Amino acid sequence: DTEVTQTPKHLVMGMTNKKSLKCEQHMGHRAMYWYKQKAKKPPELMFVYSYEKLSINESVPSRFSPECPNSSLLNLHLHALQPEDSALYLCASSHFPAGHSYEQYFGPGTRLTVT
Amino acid sequence: SQQGEEDPQALSIQEGENATMNCSYKTSINNLQWYRQNSGRGLVHLILIRSNEREKHSGRLRVTLDTSKKSSSLLITASRAADTASYFCATDASAGGTSYGKLTFGQGTILTVHP
Repeated sequence: DTEVTQTPKHLVMGMTNKKSLKCEQHMGHRAMYWYKQKAKKPPELMFVYSYEKLSINESVPSRFSPECPNSSLLNLHLHALQPEDSALYLCASSHFPAGHSYEQYFGPGTRLTVT
Repeated sequence: SQQGEEDPQALSIQEGENATMNCSYKTSINNLQWYRQNSGRGLVHLILIRSNEREKHSGRLRVTLDTSKKSSSLLITASRAADTASYFCATDASAGGTSYGKLTFGQGTILTVHP
C-alpha cells in the first residue's frame, strides 16, 4: 500500500472555528510532513516529524498546531485562522532521512477555505 | 531568491514531441528530485538523482544533473496528453549535514500537451 490518505478533501471554516486535518499512511514510513500550497505556487514546508517527534517547524504561526499520535497518523489542528491561510494542505511521508532525503509520498491534499 | 528556479514557467507542445524543463539552484545539494502535480492534486515523485550522479533514466524520463552549474534538466520524450501537469524540482540542501527530509521546491513548469 503506497497511499497517503487525507481527510477531509475540502474544508470551509470561519475565523473563530477550530478544525483538524488528518493524514494517514501504512507504508511504515517514520517521517511525515505538512506542506502548504497556494494557487500557482510550489509547496512550502511547514512541519516535519521524525519518529513521531517534531524535527522541523518552519516558523509556522501558532494557529497551526501539528500532532503525531503514532507512526501512521499525522494531524494538523487549526484555530483562529485568517483568510490568507486558505490553501491546499498537503501531507507526505517518507523513509526516515538519516543522511539524505528519500522520495516523498504525497496525499491528495485538503482544500481549505477560511471565511 | 529561492533555491530551485525553473524554466520555462510554461511549456505548450503537441503529442509526440519532447519536453525539456530546467531547474537551477543555489547551494550544494545532497540530491535533487522531480515531482509531477496534476491540477489541484497531490504530488507524485518521478525521479531522484544524487549529487554524485550525472544522468538518470526512468521510462520516458531522463534527468541530468550538473553540480558545477548547479542545474538539472528533465526531459520527457514522446509526450502524451496525460503528461499535462505541473512539474517541480525539489532540492535537499543538506550536503554534509543532517537532512530531516527538508525539500525546497522550485517554482514549477506548467506543461500542456495538446492531442
